[in-house]
Amino acid sequence: EAGVTQFPSHSVIEKGQTVTLRCDPISGHDNLYWYRRVMGKEIKFLLHFVKESKQDESGMPNNRFLAERTGGTYSTLKVQPAELEDSGVYFCASSQSGDTQYFGPGTRLTVL
Amino acid sequence: EDQVTQSPEALRLQEGESSSLNCSYTVSGLRGLFWYRQDPGKGPEFLFTLYSAGEEKEKERLKATLTKKESFLHITAPKPEDSATYLCAVQNGLSYGKLTFGQGTILTVHP
Repeated sequence: EAGVTQFPSHSVIEKGQTVTLRCDPISGHDNLYWYRRVMGKEIKFLLHFVKESKQDESGMPNNRFLAERTGGTYSTLKVQPAELEDSGVYFCASSQSGDTQYFGPGTRLTVL
Repeated sequence: EDQVTQSPEALRLQEGESSSLNCSYTVSGLRGLFWYRQDPGKGPEFLFTLYSAGEEKEKERLKATLTKKESFLHITAPKPEDSATYLCAVQNGLSYGKLTFGQGTILTVHP
């Protein structure tokens, strides 16, 4: 069974540009989560989808971040415009029941 | 607000030298406590879920235990391949799904 996949693995962009990260959850998992780890800090929750609906977006830092989950399958996280403090590793996770979450390899975002 | 504190920040062991990692937590109604392992450049890999005080789970050289305030990850006779960052996270009963993580313990096992 394929795990959670994320694309791209790395992204380097200039401040003010737009970046879109993609996450493909484990097949059949209705719950999809986005997390972020910035340098020197712990992994922090961003938001949670159940199918295509946002269950909890309390961790989204500001309105420059937009997450979508088309048809309850893959999800995208768009940052527009990117700022220096958005640099970090963005993780996606999925779960079947809302219990154990399985993580993807992450996307390392660097904003110059 | 849920909080997770892990100690020590870093731990260096000789191969075969057993030890324990600590995870202290405060949470509004614990739904689950999770241990993950993370290797450099990879995502967290699930190890254990603990749900109630007194529960224990084992996998190879690892054993996780839970009390009302903390969890321990005991490593028995570690090998160099056990070197990784070990992460602890909690899920509370009010916010469905969200994990609150600690900063992790970096474990290095020398041959």
